[in-house]
Amino acid sequence: AQTVTQSQPEMSVQEAETVTLSCTYDTSENNYYLFWYKQPPSRQMILVIRQEAYKQQNATENRFSVNFQKAAKSFSLKISDSQLGDTAMYFCAFRGFGNEKLTFGTGTRLTIIP
Amino acid sequence: EAGVAQSPRYKIIEKRQSVAFWCNPISGHATLYWYQQILGQGPKLLIQFQNNGVVDDSQLPKDRFSAERLKGVDSTLKIQPAKLEDSAVYLCASRVQGSGSPLHFGNGTRLTVT
Repeated sequence: AQTVTQSQPEMSVQEAETVTLSCTYDTSENNYYLFWYKQPPSRQMILVIRQEAYKQQNATENRFSVNFQKAAKSFSLKISDSQLGDTAMYFCAFRGFGNEKLTFGTGTRLTIIP
Repeated sequence: EAGVAQSPRYKIIEKRQSVAFWCNPISGHATLYWYQQILGQGPKLLIQFQNNGVVDDSQLPKDRFSAERLKGVDSTLKIQPAKLEDSAVYLCASRVQGSGSPLHFGNGTRLTVT
């Protein structure tokens, strides 16, 4: 069974700074997908960024980018020029190729300080 | 595109009572999921439907939880009888077929069992 670990329960950073959230996972599969979701107080899970394991290039979405290290089974999220609206819970998630189930980590509570 | 709709937004019941949650996925999304998110934890999959068939219900406490998706569109999740430990946010998600497609989540229902 796949497991996803987020070792930082809480983080805080000053507005406009850069922050990196960590995620590691365990799987025996070679092809899979990794996701970062954001959950603000409204509770809706919002997709931030997605990475396909067969792609060597790290995914980027505007201020959000990932550092995907397949051999180390590491998938960190970097938020550049952080904004107050980035304050939320962030969840790392794993889905196997051809497997519909999405497995989440325990989350990191990120607070952006004005 | 309209998002995943869930109701009610909040529900408070006493233990041993029954409760039902409703979900309307995004139009055309064949796969539907129910997740349970206990405070401070990541979402845990309860059940997954492909059209109106169950794909995975291995973590659904079947002695008290039930779910259906009769016409392959809307879905209901029921708890009967509720226990204190069922207090959580219940999230519904859907996605189109295709291994790389992300899940789209609703705003969830916050259940409090007293």
